[in-house]
Amino acid sequence: KQEVTQIPAALSVPEGENLVLNCSFTDSAIYNLQWFRQDPGKGLTSLLLIQSSQREQTSGRLNASLDKSSGRSTLYIAASQPGDSATYLCAVRLVNAGGTSYGKLTFGQGTILTVHP
Amino acid sequence: GAGVSQSPSNKVTEKGKDVELRCDPISGHTALYWYRQRLGQGLEFLIYFQGNSAPDKSGLPSDRFSAERTGESVSTLTIQRTQQEDSAVYLCASSLGARSRNQPQHFGDGTRLSIL
Repeated sequence: KQEVTQIPAALSVPEGENLVLNCSFTDSAIYNLQWFRQDPGKGLTSLLLIQSSQREQTSGRLNASLDKSSGRSTLYIAASQPGDSATYLCAVRLVNAGGTSYGKLTFGQGTILTVHP
Repeated sequence: GAGVSQSPSNKVTEKGKDVELRCDPISGHTALYWYRQRLGQGLEFLIYFQGNSAPDKSGLPSDRFSAERTGESVSTLTIQRTQQEDSAVYLCASSLGARSRNQPQHFGDGTRLSIL
């Protein structure tokens, strides 16, 4: 059974710092990995999706890396801002026996990020 | 609208009642997913629909839970004889196709269900 773990559970940093959020998964047979942010009382906003054949994806101040063999992904946020405060979730999509993908995502518990001015 | 729409946004009901939650996916999205987020826990997969294929119901926690989807449009999640442990935020997501590895899932804002 795939298990996804995110460390740390919570992180508080001053504005302007660069930071790294960690995600690990137990089953390396993944189809892709997706990072989301969730604001209080809201749904999930997709940030980055990394295919299993890729090593990293970038969008603005965000960079996500994937090391499938070691079962790890990191989300790097550069020059953090108070507006980055949210819960960050990673989720993996598994490969099935036929080589295609199960549709469902398996989520970590999230990292609660607070960026203070 | 452009995003996934869920209704109601909040629902409070008494234990034992039935509830129905609705999801309108993004137009053109053939895949639709339901997840549950209980307080202090991660998101749990419930069910997903892909086009005309049989839905994957492997995440439904009990036979009190069921879901339907009409074609490639609206879906309803029904919980019968609600229990207090059913209290959670129910999130719906859609994507262009479950078999395409490049398609992210897009989420609605969820329905917050509270069972008294």
